[in-house]
Amino acid sequence: EAGVTQSPTHLIKTRGQQATLRCSPISGHTSVYWYQQALGLGLQFLLWYDEGEERNRGNFPPRFSGRQFPNYSSELNVNALELEDSALYLCASSLSGGGAVQYFGPGTRLTVT
Amino acid sequence: GQQLNQSPQSMFIQEGEDVSMNCTSSSIFNTWLWYKQDPGEGPVLLIALYKAGELTSNGRLTAQFGITRKDSFLNISASIPSDVGIYFCAGLDNYGQNFVFGPGTRLSVLP
Repeated sequence: EAGVTQSPTHLIKTRGQQATLRCSPISGHTSVYWYQQALGLGLQFLLWYDEGEERNRGNFPPRFSGRQFPNYSSELNVNALELEDSALYLCASSLSGGGAVQYFGPGTRLTVT
Repeated sequence: GQQLNQSPQSMFIQEGEDVSMNCTSSSIFNTWLWYKQDPGEGPVLLIALYKAGELTSNGRLTAQFGITRKDSFLNISASIPSDVGIYFCAGLDNYGQNFVFGPGTRLSVLP
């Protein structure tokens, strides 16, 4: 069974541009979570989508947004990129509802120059 | 909000040694998860704990859900080079909706 997949693996953008990151959950999982992990730091919760709806949001500015599609895949958009947005962006999926064990993808390394 | 602390922050051990690390909080958590992250990759789930006092093993790894529900421990026996990485704990918050992640313990294994 395929795990969580993310694309692209690496993304290089310049300050002020927009970045779009994509995630496909494990088959049967309807919840998708996004985390930011800056170099050498822990996981900071960004967004949680379940059944197409945004269920919760971490302490990040509105220029971090996303959506979940009918097939439960998800997209994270970061507008007006800043240098400090450079990080590994991790997507995780779980069975529906909060509290279910999360399984992570390999991440997208975003570099903002 | 609820926060988790992990100790030690980092550790260097000799191959073959046993390792202990813990995760603590001032808040009660209802589920504990332990993940391992290799450099540049996503965290991989090691062990999930669902009841206070629960002790669960996965090969050389053993984790326990603390009786007070405010802590959890992970032990690795007979460490090997591939144990190198960052170990994260995660606790399910009081609302049962979100997992809170600890800052991680970075493990280095010396040959």
